[in-house]
Amino acid sequence: GESVGLHLPTLSVQEGDNSIINCAYSNSASDYFIWYKQESGKGPQFIIDIRSNMDKRQGQRVTVLLNKTVKHLSLQIAATQPGDSAVYFCAENNAAGGTSYGKLTFGQGTILTVHP
Amino acid sequence: DAGVTQSPTHLIKTRGQQVTLRCSPKSGHDTVSWYQQALGQGPQFIFQYYEEEERQRGNFPDRFSGHQFPNYSSELNVNALLLGDSALYLCASSPPAAKNIQYFGAGTRLSVL
Repeated sequence: GESVGLHLPTLSVQEGDNSIINCAYSNSASDYFIWYKQESGKGPQFIIDIRSNMDKRQGQRVTVLLNKTVKHLSLQIAATQPGDSAVYFCAENNAAGGTSYGKLTFGQGTILTVHP
Repeated sequence: DAGVTQSPTHLIKTRGQQVTLRCSPKSGHDTVSWYQQALGQGPQFIFQYYEEEERQRGNFPDRFSGHQFPNYSSELNVNALLLGDSALYLCASSPPAAKNIQYFGAGTRLSVL
């Protein structure tokens, strides 16, 4: 099945705080996950990805954690800045699944607002 | 190096009309995917083109069709437009042998009146 959110969650933080954005996925066969950032009027921007053989991956100021047991993904942003304000989406795919390879399934998204 | 480019940026149509949206992939990318994003929602996969053929399709009616050209650019066509087709249409391109790594364009905002 697809990951579906009922509402668009929101997260408000102060500049300099750390932010944690969560995502639950539904397809236990998914083995590849991506976080995207979407600013108003723009397309989704790739932030970081992780494969299911890992439980943590770090980038510049961002860390993605994957818990396959509970089908949960999180994005941690360190020292959040006003420029980080956007909608954040997680996306999943079954890269080894053949028929669904390349068909990303997106979550509903989380609105992050960073106050100066 | 240009990223994924889409045209037009905005479009207004009336019910029953037909529309064609265009996408040029990032340099070096050979696969194009199309998504529909309704307001306040995550993108929904429409279909994916590779080697000028539709390879994957989401849950969209046949009114939605596409094409990929030898230079890897792509078109999305929607016939018999409905009010519910109003959305942001996003194109994403992928590098060879990595179809799940997708880079998006800014989208075309389609309004159906």
